[in-house]
Amino acid sequence: QSALTQPASVSGSPGQSITISCTGTSSDVGGYNYVSWYQQHPGKAPKLMIYDVSNRPSGVSNRFSGSKSGNTASLTISGLQAEDEADYYCSSYTSSSTLLFGGGTKLTVL
Amino acid sequence: EVQLVESGGGLVQPGGSLRLSCAASGFTFSSYWMSWVRQAPGKGLEWVANIKQDGSEKYYVDSVKGRFTISRDNAKNSLYLQMNSLRAEDTAVYYCARTAGRGGLDVWGQGTTVTVSS
Repeated sequence: QSALTQPASVSGSPGQSITISCTGTSSDVGGYNYVSWYQQHPGKAPKLMIYDVSNRPSGVSNRFSGSKSGNTASLTISGLQAEDEADYYCSSYTSSSTLLFGGGTKLTVL
Repeated sequence: EVQLVESGGGLVQPGGSLRLSCAASGFTFSSYWMSWVRQAPGKGLEWVANIKQDGSEKYYVDSVKGRFTISRDNAKNSLYLQMNSLRAEDTAVYYCARTAGRGGLDVWGQGTTVTVSS
């Protein structure tokens, strides 16, 4: 199964908002409300930022939000801060009862 | 404190075997699905396998089916990944992760590095 499709990179200035897309198929993103988003800083383990499309775990800033339309999910970060610079990955539950990750997006804060 | 600690990584020759372990603490291990996720050098995350709370269901990514086996020992709060017939493309940092619901990996270990090379 091919990875979910994410843009390789996005960038924004401090205070701005950015959106990262994650495109799959009806067998994964489009078929279930089980999309998650992860933040990974260099040399660190990933951190769950969004689960079940739009839910934030306790302790995650409300500047992070998620949504989904059809086969595409999105992560929006508002009020961009320097510490948001990281790699971001989406994942989805699939019809095969497996998990599928996106290829990852490098966020640069200008 | 909720924690996952992986161990067992190392250098192994192609065709060799390795067993990874993940020790869980700070939560009721037997109540959660658990997963293994890997990350090859400079690459993205790849889900490898997961296992149901009682071990009755296991799922694998196609590239490791027949070579890797996920298991758990709830009495020891431990998760395992037996890796056989290792290939160069299995070289990666391997993370264990607690699975909340259908795929939200909410707790991650620090990772253990597996290098497959002659």
